[in-house]
Amino acid sequence: AQSVTQLGSHVSVSEGALVLLRCNYSSSVPPYLFWYVQYPNQGLQLLLKYTSAATLVKGINGFEAEFKKSETSFHLTKPSAHMSDAAEYFCAVSDPLSGNNRLAFGKGNQVVVIP
Amino acid sequence: DAGVTQSPTHLIKTRGQQVTLRCSPKSGHDTVSWYQQALGQGPQFIFQYYEEEERQRGNFPDRFSGHQFPNYSSELNVNALLLGDSALYLCASSLSARAYGYTFGSGTRLTVV
Repeated sequence: AQSVTQLGSHVSVSEGALVLLRCNYSSSVPPYLFWYVQYPNQGLQLLLKYTSAATLVKGINGFEAEFKKSETSFHLTKPSAHMSDAAEYFCAVSDPLSGNNRLAFGKGNQVVVIP
Repeated sequence: DAGVTQSPTHLIKTRGQQVTLRCSPKSGHDTVSWYQQALGQGPQFIFQYYEEEERQRGNFPDRFSGHQFPNYSSELNVNALLLGDSALYLCASSLSARAYGYTFGSGTRLTVV
């Protein structure tokens, strides 16, 4: 079964500083990987996805992530944090050979931006 | 263009009761997936409906059941509610069972007392 691990449930970052959220995956096949953001009282919004094309993926709101097979990682970064980035972030994995788009999510990172 | 609509937004039920949650997919989407998000956790896959049939199921007991209607809308039913069923229930729609362009609804917050 596929899974992802996100360490550190709460992440504090100063406004203007680098945002780095770590995600490591476990998969027996080359996976598809995703980052979602969830604002309070809202559903999940897709930030970016890796589906076996370019390993450096750019998403919305200035976020990007790099797929590193050797490290089984898909870390999310943003060069400069804004107050509006305060939210919960989830990494997710899917098996493209399964024939369905079912996702397995990590536990999430709650990001707090300090002015 | 309306996205995914879920109803109700909040509800409170008593242990042992039954509950039905509803989801209308984004226009043009024919596949509906349901996820349970417990407090402080990531969403967990419950099941997926496509062509009015359950196509995939996660590790949830038979107390969790669903239905998809000809207009692609869907219901999630939970019988014999337990305190541990308290969670945010998310509905996600997609163009097909293979498409990765999920659109999530805002969820239904279920509290079991």
